[in-house]
Amino acid sequence: GAGVSQSPSNKVTEKGKDVELRCDPISGHTALYWYRQSLGQGLEFLIYFQGNSAPDKSGLPSDRFSAERTGGSVSTLTIQRTQQEDSAVYLCASSSRDRGLYEQYFGPGTRLTVT
Amino acid sequence: AQSVTQPDIHITVSEGASLELRCNYSYGATPYLFWYVQSPGQGLQLLLKYFSGDTLVQGIKGFEAEFKRSQSSFNLRKPSVHWSDAAEYFCAVGAAYGGSQGNLIFGKGTKLSVKP
Repeated sequence: GAGVSQSPSNKVTEKGKDVELRCDPISGHTALYWYRQSLGQGLEFLIYFQGNSAPDKSGLPSDRFSAERTGGSVSTLTIQRTQQEDSAVYLCASSSRDRGLYEQYFGPGTRLTVT
Repeated sequence: AQSVTQPDIHITVSEGASLELRCNYSYGATPYLFWYVQSPGQGLQLLLKYFSGDTLVQGIKGFEAEFKRSQSSFNLRKPSVHWSDAAEYFCAVGAAYGGSQGNLIFGKGTKLSVKP
Protein backbone atom coordinates (compact mmCIF):
# COMPACT_ATOMS: atom_id res chain seq x y z
CA GLY A 1 0.00 0.00 0.00
CA ALA A 2 0.95 3.64 -0.25
CA GLY A 3 3.30 5.00 2.36
CA VAL A 4 3.58 8.46 3.84
CA SER A 5 4.09 11.07 1.16
CA GLN A 6 5.41 14.59 1.50
CA SER A 7 5.53 17.53 -0.84
CA PRO A 8 7.47 19.28 -2.08
CA SER A 9 10.58 17.14 -1.86
CA ASN A 10 12.75 20.24 -2.01
CA LYS A 11 11.95 23.86 -1.29
CA VAL A 12 14.23 26.85 -1.63
CA THR A 13 12.90 30.10 -0.25
CA GLU A 14 14.16 33.53 0.57
CA LYS A 15 14.55 34.65 4.14
CA GLY A 16 11.36 36.26 5.39
CA LYS A 17 8.99 34.36 3.11
CA ASP A 18 6.34 31.92 4.34
CA VAL A 19 6.41 28.25 3.35
CA GLU A 20 3.92 25.40 3.55
CA LEU A 21 4.95 21.77 3.71
CA ARG A 22 2.44 19.01 3.12
CA CYS A 23 2.13 15.50 4.51
CA ASP A 24 -0.22 12.73 3.41
CA PRO A 25 -0.22 9.99 6.04
CA ILE A 26 -0.96 6.34 5.49
CA SER A 27 -4.68 5.85 5.04
CA GLY A 28 -6.36 4.96 8.33
CA HIS A 29 -3.51 6.12 10.54
CA THR A 30 -4.89 8.28 13.31
CA ALA A 31 -1.62 9.72 14.57
CA LEU A 32 0.58 12.11 12.63
CA TYR A 33 3.93 13.62 13.66
CA TRP A 34 6.25 16.27 12.35
CA TYR A 35 9.97 16.16 13.05
CA ARG A 36 12.84 18.35 11.97
CA GLN A 37 16.22 16.95 11.04
CA SER A 38 19.06 19.43 11.09
CA LEU A 39 22.69 18.76 10.31
CA GLY A 40 24.38 17.68 13.51
CA GLN A 41 21.18 17.98 15.55
CA GLY A 42 19.46 14.71 14.85
CA LEU A 43 15.68 14.57 14.77
CA GLU A 44 13.63 16.98 16.84
CA PHE A 45 9.96 16.44 17.55
CA LEU A 46 7.80 19.36 16.45
CA ILE A 47 4.11 18.52 16.74
CA TYR A 48 1.82 15.52 17.16
CA PHE A 49 -1.79 14.99 16.12
CA GLN A 50 -3.85 12.09 17.47
CA GLY A 51 -7.39 11.66 16.25
CA ASN A 52 -9.65 14.51 17.29
CA SER A 53 -7.58 15.45 20.32
CA ALA A 54 -5.87 18.81 20.61
CA PRO A 55 -2.42 18.59 19.02
CA ASP A 56 0.69 18.41 21.15
CA LYS A 57 2.63 21.47 20.04
CA SER A 58 5.31 21.25 22.69
CA GLY A 59 8.13 20.81 20.20
CA LEU A 60 7.46 23.83 18.00
CA PRO A 61 10.55 26.08 18.25
CA SER A 62 8.76 29.41 17.88
CA ASP A 63 5.39 30.96 17.12
CA ARG A 64 6.46 31.23 13.48
CA PHE A 65 5.75 27.51 13.22
CA SER A 66 2.23 26.14 13.04
CA ALA A 67 0.52 23.04 11.73
CA GLU A 68 -2.95 21.85 11.01
CA ARG A 69 -4.51 18.58 10.10
CA THR A 70 -7.66 18.67 8.05
CA GLY A 71 -10.26 15.94 8.20
CA GLY A 72 -8.00 13.77 10.27
CA SER A 73 -5.79 13.11 7.28
CA VAL A 74 -3.57 15.55 5.40
CA SER A 75 -1.40 17.88 7.45
CA THR A 76 0.30 21.15 6.56
CA LEU A 77 3.25 22.59 8.43
CA THR A 78 3.58 26.34 7.95
CA ILE A 79 6.68 28.37 8.71
CA GLN A 80 6.17 32.11 8.63
CA ARG A 81 8.92 34.66 8.03
CA THR A 82 11.51 31.95 7.43
CA GLN A 83 14.98 32.33 8.86
CA GLN A 84 18.20 30.67 7.76
CA GLU A 85 18.20 28.50 10.87
CA ASP A 86 14.95 26.95 9.63
CA SER A 87 16.92 25.19 6.89
CA ALA A 88 16.52 21.48 7.56
CA VAL A 89 14.75 18.34 6.41
CA TYR A 90 11.20 18.21 7.71
CA LEU A 91 9.95 14.67 8.22
CA CYS A 92 6.39 13.53 8.67
CA ALA A 93 5.39 10.20 10.20
CA SER A 94 2.13 8.44 10.91
CA SER A 95 1.02 5.54 13.07
CA SER A 96 -2.06 3.74 14.25
CA ARG A 97 -3.09 2.65 17.74
CA ASP A 98 -3.58 -0.95 16.75
CA ARG A 99 0.09 -1.21 15.75
CA GLY A 100 1.33 0.91 18.62
CA LEU A 101 1.69 4.64 18.39
CA TYR A 102 5.45 4.43 18.32
CA GLU A 103 5.66 2.17 15.29
CA GLN A 104 5.90 5.22 13.14
CA TYR A 105 6.17 5.20 9.38
CA PHE A 106 8.15 8.07 7.93
CA GLY A 107 7.84 9.94 4.68
CA PRO A 108 10.88 10.87 2.58
CA GLY A 109 10.96 14.40 3.95
CA THR A 110 11.00 17.91 2.56
CA ARG A 111 14.39 19.57 2.35
CA LEU A 112 13.96 23.27 3.09
CA THR A 113 16.71 25.71 2.23
CA VAL A 114 16.35 29.33 3.31
CA THR A 115 18.66 31.70 1.44
CA ALA B 1 14.21 14.29 31.07
CA GLN B 2 14.22 11.61 28.44
CA SER B 3 17.31 11.42 26.28
CA VAL B 4 19.12 9.08 23.96
CA THR B 5 22.86 8.98 23.44
CA GLN B 6 24.61 7.36 20.52
CA PRO B 7 28.29 7.72 21.40
CA ASP B 8 29.64 6.91 17.95
CA ILE B 9 29.05 9.51 15.25
CA HIS B 10 30.68 7.49 12.48
CA ILE B 11 31.73 3.84 12.27
CA THR B 12 33.47 2.05 9.43
CA VAL B 13 33.46 -1.73 9.17
CA SER B 14 34.57 -4.15 6.51
CA GLU B 15 31.98 -6.07 4.57
CA GLY B 16 31.36 -9.40 6.29
CA ALA B 17 32.53 -8.15 9.67
CA SER B 18 30.27 -7.98 12.69
CA LEU B 19 28.68 -4.73 13.80
CA GLU B 20 27.57 -3.24 17.09
CA LEU B 21 26.07 0.23 17.35
CA ARG B 22 25.72 1.63 20.83
CA CYS B 23 22.69 3.33 22.32
CA ASN B 24 22.16 4.54 25.88
CA TYR B 25 18.93 6.05 27.09
CA SER B 26 17.73 8.02 30.05
CA TYR B 27 14.12 7.50 31.02
CA GLY B 28 12.32 7.27 34.34
CA ALA B 29 10.00 4.40 33.55
CA THR B 30 10.18 1.32 31.37
CA PRO B 31 11.08 2.68 27.97
CA TYR B 32 9.86 1.67 24.58
CA LEU B 33 12.99 1.45 22.42
CA PHE B 34 13.49 1.55 18.69
CA TRP B 35 16.13 1.46 16.02
CA TYR B 36 15.52 3.19 12.70
CA VAL B 37 17.70 3.27 9.59
CA GLN B 38 17.92 6.11 7.11
CA SER B 39 19.49 5.63 3.70
CA PRO B 40 20.68 8.74 1.84
CA GLY B 41 17.74 10.83 0.64
CA GLN B 42 15.24 8.48 2.23
CA GLY B 43 12.93 8.61 5.19
CA LEU B 44 13.45 6.49 8.27
CA GLN B 45 12.63 2.80 8.27
CA LEU B 46 11.89 0.88 11.46
CA LEU B 47 14.43 -1.91 12.02
CA LEU B 48 13.17 -3.27 15.33
CA LYS B 49 11.46 -2.35 18.56
CA TYR B 50 11.40 -3.38 22.21
CA PHE B 51 8.28 -2.98 24.33
CA SER B 52 8.55 -5.78 26.90
CA GLY B 53 9.37 -9.45 27.29
CA ASP B 54 12.42 -11.06 25.76
CA THR B 55 15.27 -8.61 25.97
CA LEU B 56 16.82 -9.81 22.71
CA VAL B 57 14.72 -8.64 19.80
CA GLN B 58 15.04 -9.55 16.18
CA GLY B 59 14.44 -7.12 13.39
CA ILE B 60 14.51 -6.86 9.66
CA LYS B 61 17.59 -7.23 7.48
CA GLY B 62 19.28 -9.57 9.96
CA PHE B 63 19.60 -7.00 12.76
CA GLU B 64 19.04 -7.68 16.43
CA ALA B 65 19.23 -5.57 19.57
CA GLU B 66 19.52 -6.36 23.26
CA PHE B 67 17.85 -4.37 26.01
CA LYS B 68 19.95 -4.18 29.16
CA ARG B 69 18.11 -2.35 31.91
CA SER B 70 21.07 -2.33 34.28
CA GLN B 71 23.17 -0.53 31.68
CA SER B 72 20.34 1.59 30.21
CA SER B 73 21.45 0.32 26.83
CA PHE B 74 19.85 -0.96 23.67
CA ASN B 75 22.71 -1.84 21.34
CA LEU B 76 22.13 -2.88 17.74
CA ARG B 77 24.06 -5.81 16.30
CA LYS B 78 24.52 -7.65 13.05
CA PRO B 79 26.81 -10.67 12.68
CA SER B 80 27.87 -9.97 9.10
CA VAL B 81 27.54 -6.56 7.48
CA HIS B 82 26.64 -6.13 3.82
CA TRP B 83 27.59 -3.15 1.67
CA SER B 84 23.90 -2.23 1.46
CA ASP B 85 23.85 -1.66 5.22
CA ALA B 86 25.74 1.61 4.77
CA ALA B 87 23.33 4.21 6.13
CA GLU B 88 22.62 6.26 9.21
CA TYR B 89 21.15 4.52 12.23
CA PHE B 90 19.00 6.16 14.86
CA CYS B 91 18.08 4.89 18.28
CA ALA B 92 14.89 6.27 19.80
CA VAL B 93 12.87 6.06 23.00
CA GLY B 94 9.15 6.58 23.47
CA ALA B 95 6.91 7.13 26.48
CA ALA B 96 4.43 4.51 27.61
CA TYR B 97 1.88 3.35 25.07
CA GLY B 98 -1.18 5.52 25.14
CA GLY B 99 0.57 8.24 27.03
CA SER B 100 -0.10 11.88 26.36
CA GLN B 101 2.85 12.18 24.07
CA GLY B 102 3.29 9.98 21.05
CA ASN B 103 6.57 11.43 19.96
CA LEU B 104 9.88 9.63 19.89
CA ILE B 105 13.09 11.03 21.31
CA PHE B 106 15.94 10.29 18.92
CA GLY B 107 19.65 10.01 19.33
CA LYS B 108 21.81 12.01 16.96
CA GLY B 109 22.55 8.99 14.84
CA THR B 110 25.52 6.84 13.88
CA LYS B 111 26.67 6.87 10.30
CA LEU B 112 27.83 3.46 9.12
CA SER B 113 30.28 3.11 6.27
CA VAL B 114 31.12 -0.32 4.84
CA LYS B 115 34.51 -1.04 3.27
CA PRO B 116 34.63 -3.61 0.47
